[in-house]
Amino acid sequence: DTGVSQDPRHKITKRGQNVTFRCDPISEHNRLYWYRQTLGQGPEFLTYFQNEAQLEKSRLLSDRFSAERPKGSFSTLEIQRTEQGDSAMYLCASSLDRGAGLTGELFFGEGSRLTVL
Amino acid sequence: AQSVTQLGSHVSVSEGALVLLRCNYSSSVPPYLFWYVQYPNQGLQLLLKYTSAATLVKGINDFEAEFKKSETSFHLTKPSAHMSDAAEYFCAVNAGTASKLTFGTGTRLQVTL
Repeated sequence: DTGVSQDPRHKITKRGQNVTFRCDPISEHNRLYWYRQTLGQGPEFLTYFQNEAQLEKSRLLSDRFSAERPKGSFSTLEIQRTEQGDSAMYLCASSLDRGAGLTGELFFGEGSRLTVL
Repeated sequence: AQSVTQLGSHVSVSEGALVLLRCNYSSSVPPYLFWYVQYPNQGLQLLLKYTSAATLVKGINDFEAEFKKSETSFHLTKPSAHMSDAAEYFCAVNAGTASKLTFGTGTRLQVTL
């Protein structure tokens, strides 16, 4: 399968612990996105990368959140000192786009569900 | 700024009936518009997209949507619902040089016998 893959699919952690999610995008895609989805809501944009550069971050991305895409391929999203409010589905998506704007389709992974106890 | 509003968080139709899911957008520039479907515990899958070509867009599984600039709408329709269409549907917008999609809150479609 050559789609977007995310790991782990599920993570249960205690409040205050750190967690890290990994996303492997479609190999030729230059853009990678992180979204967060809570129950009953649509996906909310967190951040995106063009190749290895992080070009935009949402205000939702507090100081406890950090994302990297060191070689322009896979990406990690780390949450430090987790809080119960961080419980959500974290979705990764990738696309192939040139220049500004977004004209292509976002291809989503199946998400990483985080539960903070 | 860009946003979408999905009217109706839950829609229930009988199998074989018309499906109509409503989406209105807000954008200061001509937008690109998308409909995605999400099945339980899965990621989002693109149904169709409008990128300033034909205003009537056909997608997968017999879904289609019509872009109406005068009404700022992009409603999703399907002539005959199937049980397998039960899922969450999200409308999304990308406007101008924005590099991300902004999603609506979703509409859960229930299909009954």
